[in-house]
Amino acid sequence: GNSVTQMEGPVTLSEEAFLTINCTYTATGYPSLFWYVQYPGEGLQLLLKATKADDKGSNKGFEATYRKETTSFHLEKGSVQVSDSAVYFCALGRVSRNYGGSQGNLIFGKGTKLSVKP
Amino acid sequence: DGGITQSPKYLFRKEGQNVTLSCEQNLNHDAMYWYRQDPGQGLRLIYYSQIVNDFQKGDIAEGYSVSREKKESFPLTVTSAQKNPTAFYLCASSHGAGGGAFFGQGTRLTVV
Repeated sequence: GNSVTQMEGPVTLSEEAFLTINCTYTATGYPSLFWYVQYPGEGLQLLLKATKADDKGSNKGFEATYRKETTSFHLEKGSVQVSDSAVYFCALGRVSRNYGGSQGNLIFGKGTKLSVKP
Repeated sequence: DGGITQSPKYLFRKEGQNVTLSCEQNLNHDAMYWYRQDPGQGLRLIYYSQIVNDFQKGDIAEGYSVSREKKESFPLTVTSAQKNPTAFYLCASSHGAGGGAFFGQGTRLTVV
């Protein structure tokens, strides 16, 4: 079945360091892929997404490229800030049995906690 | 402002009692979802609804029930049959053409 595996945390970096959070997936077909971010005590916010192979999603300095050949969607940022401290979730979109593709029917990884020190 | 409102933010209940969590959206989205989050875990899908008066079980539907009488509302009832109800519950909505899911701020349910 479909699944998402992301690197375990916590990840601790100094401000301005380079960030990579690895995410790989198993799926039939070509699902949409997402990165979500969760700040303490809050819900999730969509960070970026990619809907087909070789697409690059980007937002707020974060990037991720949909790699079909390696079934990966690694999250990167060139220079992290203290305000980036949060939990990051990789997710893939499932196809609904009755209604086709769905942007909210998601399989999540377990999340990676990022702490950025000044 | 458009968004998803979950209430209350914190909820305490005694074991054996049913409890209903509220979720309202004004984004005009057709699809709505309920997820459960446990410490150190990703989110798991409980129920989802793609259209009014229709809903489908997700991965962990046992012990939960939902209704979808209005497009804007998708309440979740945690019944006494749910063996481990204490968790953080997140409601989300999406439209079919892309853009990802929008999440509410969550309800933290504690059963004592």
